[in-house]
Amino acid sequence: GEDVEQSLFLSVREGDSSVINCTYTDSSSTYLYWYKQEPGAGLQLLTYIFSNMDMKQDQRLTVLLNKKDKHLSLRIADTQTGDSAIYFCAEGNNDMRFGAGTRLTVKP
Amino acid sequence: DTGVSQDPRHKITKRGQNVTFRCDPISEHNRLYWYRQTLGQGPEFLTYFQNEAQLEKSRLLSDRFSAERPKGSFSTLEIQRTEQGDSAMYLCASSPGRGYYGYTFGSGTRLTVV
Repeated sequence: GEDVEQSLFLSVREGDSSVINCTYTDSSSTYLYWYKQEPGAGLQLLTYIFSNMDMKQDQRLTVLLNKKDKHLSLRIADTQTGDSAIYFCAEGNNDMRFGAGTRLTVKP
Repeated sequence: DTGVSQDPRHKITKRGQNVTFRCDPISEHNRLYWYRQTLGQGPEFLTYFQNEAQLEKSRLLSDRFSAERPKGSFSTLEIQRTEQGDSAMYLCASSPGRGYYGYTFGSGTRLTVV
């Protein structure tokens, strides 16, 4: 079956860069996504990348896609305490598959 | 537009009872999705609609689960004869249906079966 895998925890200091990694198995997805979930809230779409691209930058966020290795990463520059949340990688078209999420903790 | 609304936010029910959840998508979105999220996991796809047509339902967890979207606007998800293993967060999402630019999720309905 198709799987999306992420490391479960990441801790960084305020002002540092955070890099969250994800691997996936299904190569048929048109887009790949990063979602953010804060406590008690629904998932918020952060950014997405078209499967034919290898990089996308959006303010403090940089998404890198290595389609050959089926590896997706999200880099958050100048990480702030407000970035503390769970980040989900997702792929798929109408039946999206999510990883288990990476809990990012930002220490002051 | 206030985004995707789900009702109720929380539901506690006794094992064996039926429950129904409602989702109101963003008004101009013609695709609507249901997901389930258990503690420590990412959302798991259940089913989706394009307008009133249910285009994928094979991933509903059992025949106790059913969903409707009768007029292509709001949707309901029903679980019959609830079991303790049904305790989870049930998430609804919607999208415009053109391209795959991700979903807008609601805040979810948390179900606890006692």
